Amino acid sequence: AQSVAQPEDQVNVAEGNPLTVKCTYSVSGNPYLFWYVQYPNRGLQFLLKYITGDNLVKGSYGFEAEFNKSQTSFHLKKPSALVSDSALYFCAVRDMTGGYQKVTFGTGTKLQVIP
Amino acid sequence: DTEVTQTPKHLVMGMTNKKSLKCEQHMGHRAMYWYKQKAKKPPELMFVYSYEKLSINESVPSRFSPECPNSSLLNLHLHALQPEDSALYLCASSQEGLAGGTQFFGPGTRLTVL
Repeated sequence: AQSVAQPEDQVNVAEGNPLTVKCTYSVSGNPYLFWYVQYPNRGLQFLLKYITGDNLVKGSYGFEAEFNKSQTSFHLKKPSALVSDSALYFCAVRDMTGGYQKVTFGTGTKLQVIP
Repeated sequence: DTEVTQTPKHLVMGMTNKKSLKCEQHMGHRAMYWYKQKAKKPPELMFVYSYEKLSINESVPSRFSPECPNSSLLNLHLHALQPEDSALYLCASSQEGLAGGTQFFGPGTRLTVL
């Protein structure tokens, strides 16, 4: 089965500093990877995805992610963090086991941006 | 319209009640999903509908009964729930069959079972 791992339960970063939220994956075949963000008491919002092509993927709200095949990683990055970026971030992988599409989520990383 | 809507936003019910959660999308997506999410945990997949047919049931107890009346609507019927079923219930949709189909999520229904 496809899976992703988020090794950090929480990441703290000062406002204006660069941020990184880590994700590693374990898949058979080509990975289809996603990042979603969830604000308190809200649904998940899509940020970006990697299917194929450039290893640097740009997404919403100034976020980007770097796909690294040799390290099986797909870390989420932003050059300058905002307080409003504080939220719960989920890495996810598409799973087509059984011929049906579903998404398997990581355990989530809480990002806290400190003013 | 790139929105998934869910009603109600909040629901409080007793263990003997029958209630339903509703989800709607008008993006032409042919796959729709129900997830259950506990606080600070990832969403757990419950059901997947593909072209209005139930394609995945992740061993969900029968007190949860999904229904897909048409390609835009998804319901989750609730009966005889337990307090541990209290959670945020999320609906999502995606374009089935497209490579790397992105899921669009609704805001969720916060369910409390007393």
